[in-house]
Amino acid sequence: DSGVTQTPKHLITATGQRVTLRCSPRSGDLSVYWYQQSLDQGLQFLIQYYNGEERAKGNILERFSAQQFPDLHSELNLSSLELGDSALYFCASSGDNPYNEQFFGPGTRLTVL
Amino acid sequence: AQKVTQAQTEISVVEKEDVTLDCVYETRDTTYYLFWYKQPPSGELVFLIRRNSFDEQNEISGRYSWNFQKSTSSFNFTITASQVVDSAVYFCALSETSTDSWGKLQFGAGTQVVVTP
Repeated sequence: DSGVTQTPKHLITATGQRVTLRCSPRSGDLSVYWYQQSLDQGLQFLIQYYNGEERAKGNILERFSAQQFPDLHSELNLSSLELGDSALYFCASSGDNPYNEQFFGPGTRLTVL
Repeated sequence: AQKVTQAQTEISVVEKEDVTLDCVYETRDTTYYLFWYKQPPSGELVFLIRRNSFDEQNEISGRYSWNFQKSTSSFNFTITASQVVDSAVYFCALSETSTDSWGKLQFGAGTQVVVTP
């Protein structure tokens, strides 16, 4: 158990819908990262927050957004969902140093029908 | 462009055989970090090791060992005396320290290791 929690574990929804994925980092970790794992793209970095502020952005679509709240939990919002958004979404957290190892949550498997 | 290359898609071995996973990376940064993660069939990503670019000392942890060679931009991983529980996908990742990186991990495509009894 990495100490990072993600909910829900599975999510099945329809095209055009909007969903919210939630992540709670390890106790004391200030950085939260979101990654997407799909068969065609592999593991891709989406976005990073540090203590509530966005620090780095990767291949995140404009239909996707995220935020980190004062209690350090983070949410990833996916809207106008398309079939191609079906993937495993991971959240990871690390401590003060952004180059420390990242500990990953169990992931949320999103299926868009 | 792909910055981390894991050329082996799948490796199949019989239990107790050794298996070496290759990882080649590309970066212009002088300071960077390399990682290995394991993804068992259950799906979670498990951290195995982190290495910075200034530490080329090889590392051994139990049956796992890592060979970092800056001259060839490689960070290879060997499992000695493999066991069925080692069956998983193994990912190599790079974290650059340039301003816009902020610790984001750039993963290779992964190598599936299948260990049969």
